[in-house]
Amino acid sequence: QVQLQESGPGLVKPSQTLSLTCSVSGGSISSGAYYWSWIRQHPGRGLEWIGYIYNSGTTSYNPSLRSRPTILVDSSKNQFSLRLTSVTAADTAVYYCARGEGIENLGLLISPLDYWGQGILVTVSS
Amino acid sequence: EIVLTQSPGTLSLSPGERATLSCRASQSVTYNYLAWYQQKPGQAPRLLIYGAFNRATGIPDKFSGSGSGTDFTLTISRLEPEDFAAYYCQQYGSSPLTFGGGTKVEIK
Repeated sequence: QVQLQESGPGLVKPSQTLSLTCSVSGGSISSGAYYWSWIRQHPGRGLEWIGYIYNSGTTSYNPSLRSRPTILVDSSKNQFSLRLTSVTAADTAVYYCARGEGIENLGLLISPLDYWGQGILVTVSS
Repeated sequence: EIVLTQSPGTLSLSPGERATLSCRASQSVTYNYLAWYQQKPGQAPRLLIYGAFNRATGIPDKFSGSGSGTDFTLTISRLEPEDFAAYYCQQYGSSPLTFGGGTKVEIK
């Protein structure tokens, strides 16, 4: 059974960079045709997709976040990470990591997000 | 970007009743790659339905999905206490991936 766990600071100052890590257990991040994604949920609100990465390093991001997010994968640690620059109070949210299945060379996602981490609340405040 | 609009925002029903949730897309969802998730307070979303009508592993058959193109429906045949939660639709057929605003199913 695949499990995902988010970790990182729960408090970030405005204008700084938010950094989170997702640790994957019960399976290798390098195996299979999976995309590894970050999603966030503002307090009391709906879900917003941030971006995803394949083990090869291929990424896709939500254009609404402009060029602020960067997702990286570290196969040696079975982890992937999120960096979000120039944060403001509007970035306060619960951040989730999740897995889906895709065909990278076709740019096709063939399954939605079937495994999720429990989420981590990140507050942006001075 | 495909905008997903869910209705109603809140559905007030009694245990044993049938719930019908709607998700309408601003344009056709590629390959009908439309998923439904259930989320309870303080928990991560749980995948219920993928590909518009396929139940995810371990999901009971009281949950069913239907629809195609721009109009999709999630039906819960008989509500049990554990079904009162928020439900979100999501399309994964084209980038950016998008979610609907959610429907909260509450006890009447």
